[in-house]
Amino acid sequence: GQQLNQSPQSMFIQEGEDVSMNCTSSSIFNTWLWYKQDPGEGPVLLIALYKAGELTSNGRLTAQFGITRKDSFLNISASIPSDVGIYFCAGPTAASGGSYIPTFGRGTSLIVHP
Amino acid sequence: IAGITQAPTSQILAAGRRMTLRCTQDMRHNAMYWYRQDLGLGLRLIHYSNTAGTTGKGEVPDGYSVSRANTDDFPLTLASAVPSQTSVYFCASSPGPGANVLTFGAGSRLTVL
Repeated sequence: GQQLNQSPQSMFIQEGEDVSMNCTSSSIFNTWLWYKQDPGEGPVLLIALYKAGELTSNGRLTAQFGITRKDSFLNISASIPSDVGIYFCAGPTAASGGSYIPTFGRGTSLIVHP
Repeated sequence: IAGITQAPTSQILAAGRRMTLRCTQDMRHNAMYWYRQDLGLGLRLIHYSNTAGTTGKGEVPDGYSVSRANTDDFPLTLASAVPSQTSVYFCASSPGPGANVLTFGAGSRLTVL
């Protein structure tokens, strides 16, 4: 089954508030990625992290690759209505034959009230 | 615009019928994936292909089959649909296996009655 635990499952916030969500893994990851899915569409990459301790920003979004390599955090500052959607963390898990496949957390559903 | 095209966008299907979801990409990506999305369960990998001519099983492969005859196409077939296969199906691709920056299609919503 999935090895990524994402929390919280859902968030209901007021416009202008900051948002924090996180993802933990039972195993060490070399890569952490964060995606956003707008209603009715496929997920789109927000931020990619490749090094333990790395802190990366994309506009109002900031993500961090945990030092233990088993967790990652995504923060959204000053939320706006268009931040509504489902946010997924993802990382590579080992597959047969020595390859890696992308595994996703269960997602954090964000609702922003104007 | 380069990307992934999925068809159909939505479909209602009687249980026991055969159904193929189509996926085509024009980015010359080597790796392709099929996920299903269900409320509260996130995205679960069904099957994947690291390169044309090869396929592998994901987390929930039972009841589904795939083929990868060429780089661009990766169809997903339900041989005999069951109601538990009602879901939204997403096709995705990446430049290579392990390169986890995925590009997703818009999804195919399948309802099995």
